[in-house]
Amino acid sequence: SAVISQKPSRDICQRGTSLTIQCQVDSQVTMMFWYRQQPGQSLTLIATANQGSEATYESGFVIDKFPISRPNLTFSTLTVSNMSPEDSSIYLCSVMTGVEYEQYFGPGTRLTVT
Amino acid sequence: AQSVTQLDSQVPVFEEAPVELRCNYSSSVSVYLFWYVQYPNQGLQLLLKYLSGSTLVESINGFEAEFNKSQTSFHLRKPSVHISDTAEYFCASLAGNKLTFGGGTRVLVKP
Repeated sequence: SAVISQKPSRDICQRGTSLTIQCQVDSQVTMMFWYRQQPGQSLTLIATANQGSEATYESGFVIDKFPISRPNLTFSTLTVSNMSPEDSSIYLCSVMTGVEYEQYFGPGTRLTVT
Repeated sequence: AQSVTQLDSQVPVFEEAPVELRCNYSSSVSVYLFWYVQYPNQGLQLLLKYLSGSTLVESINGFEAEFNKSQTSFHLRKPSVHISDTAEYFCASLAGNKLTFGGGTRVLVKP
């Protein structure tokens, strides 16, 4: 398994500003993922972040809006840029450890944009 | 493209009664299937998974799920629920390295 922490756990931000979310894992992992969970909805994959390469974004998500960094095998950041109320969601980091295809999730960052 | 459909958005159930959460998947390739649980104000936890082999898989807290290839289903069941099973349950399929989630089923266990 893997233990994942995220900072901040929650934040309230004004529209037009940006927020960077940090994800820290207790072991080295190749594959990290960022998901969004909008209020009352399921999880949607934003992007896959592998160390040493550019993040791969899913349809509907672009690098200018959600830039991602992956400087090493235990850490990643997701920035939500130029925020609007529609960006109010829970953002989750997850990792795949390579053990039987299991993915583990962080506790999430609850973002409210006013 | 793969998709996962959870047929019930909410399932109210009385304590000690059985519960079944329905999940259907669609994929043109072999998939691995998972159930995750999200307790109130907590992150997602892996409940159980099907990769291959026996079509009936079990979790440590009494849940089980059966993979049915002909019906493209992976329904989750528990014969007797507890108040502590109140949570949201997500079915997911993995193809390549991408997890696709269903819409979730909110289970409310009533005393």
